[in-house]
Amino acid sequence: SSELTQDPAVSVALGQTVRITCQGDSLRSYPAAWYQQKPGQAPVVVFYGESNRPSGIPDRFSASSSGTRASLTITGAQAEDEADYYCNSRDSSGDHPLYVFGPGTKVSVL
Amino acid sequence: QVQLQESGPRLVKPSGTLSLNCAVSGASISSRNWWSWVRQPPGKGLEWIGEIYHTGSTNYNPSLESRVAISIDKPNNYFSLKLTSMTAADTAVYFCASEAGGGWDIFDSWGQGALVIVSS
Repeated sequence: SSELTQDPAVSVALGQTVRITCQGDSLRSYPAAWYQQKPGQAPVVVFYGESNRPSGIPDRFSASSSGTRASLTITGAQAEDEADYYCNSRDSSGDHPLYVFGPGTKVSVL
Repeated sequence: QVQLQESGPRLVKPSGTLSLNCAVSGASISSRNWWSWVRQPPGKGLEWIGEIYHTGSTNYNPSLESRVAISIDKPNNYFSLKLTSMTAADTAVYFCASEAGGGWDIFDSWGQGALVIVSS
């Protein structure tokens, strides 16, 4: 099975823009989903594909992808956006379809 | 909105078997396609364990496939996880999750998670 890679941590000043990237071969065939996880809580999907933001997710979250790379952008980061962010996709490179998660990116809002 | 709730023993002895259930409410377990288990060791990232279709078909993470079994109980609206030969490395929060379907491979509902500790 393939793997997804992410930068371990990024920081952003309050109100500024931050981009989180995810890279992996599975992204060539399957769209990425992005999950936000705060301490002690279950993950929450904040974006999937290139244009799908679940209801209730602020429109400061957006995403894009190209080839084997996907990105989640937070435009005008707020204090409540400080969290771990995981990318995720299907992977069918092995005998059976499965899911892969990236290792996560810790976003700090300064 | 689908709600999920994990239940089961939170302490497992080394070499023992983990058994967790995930109760589904707000929807019939047959109304959605795939139901998954995901785990997260303390301070670490998410790891997908496996999934079950409402027909009973399963897919597992190859790294756990030899030790894992996921089953479904449609009359009682829950699905289950069994993980054998547990070691300290299996200490983690175990989440059950529901896949949204509709052509999108995303987990749109999650249980609150169950911390399972492997210790004698």
